[in-house]
Amino acid sequence: GAVVSQHPSRVICKSGTSVKIECRSLDFQATTMFWYRQFPKQSLMLMATSNEGSKATYEQGVEKDKFLINHASLTLSTLTVTSAHPEDSSFYICSARGDNVLNEQFFGPGTRLTVL
Amino acid sequence: GNSVTQMEGPVTLSEEAFLTINCTYTATGYPSLFWYVQYPGEGLQLLLKATKADDKGSNKGFEATYRKETTSFHLEKGSVQVSDSAVYFCALGANTGNQFYFGTGTSLTVIP
Repeated sequence: GAVVSQHPSRVICKSGTSVKIECRSLDFQATTMFWYRQFPKQSLMLMATSNEGSKATYEQGVEKDKFLINHASLTLSTLTVTSAHPEDSSFYICSARGDNVLNEQFFGPGTRLTVL
Repeated sequence: GNSVTQMEGPVTLSEEAFLTINCTYTATGYPSLFWYVQYPGEGLQLLLKATKADDKGSNKGFEATYRKETTSFHLEKGSVQVSDSAVYFCALGANTGNQFYFGTGTSLTVIP
């Protein structure tokens, strides 16, 4: 149980385009989802926290207009990187947490974004 | 505040050697502690966890004990294999709110 999927696993896009990444909890209801960014050989940086049906809470320094997060249902959250630029190239990882799991987050496999 | 300090790598070991990756934490309240493993090009997988002091998490031959007196959660394995080569992250889950705090990760390479 507690499987989280991400789609796509890899995406390459041109500079200036927008990219949407989906994060789904497959076998539980995720009341809270998290989006992380990981640069090569570095740790995960929390970008934002989203609760189903409400606006996401962004960490300091993360542009909310650049990284649009929607958590429309208990099993799906999306991250849209708008007007992507090469510096947005990174590994994006989502995680999800349900109400009945104390302090545990279940991580997706990640999405490798490359902006040319 | 909450934070995690993890032993810097990279670590290179021969197969069947003993592994220790140090992790210490600072926390308000009573957090849960985790070790995650990340294989190349993949996301994070939970390796083991402990939710209270003196708990020992174990999985696949790895162990870590939640030591409140030393604020530590060191990862150990008695005999590493080549397939254990990965990056290991220590993490703290605050008992209030949703925040997870990750260490910087330790890269482990096991050579035959």
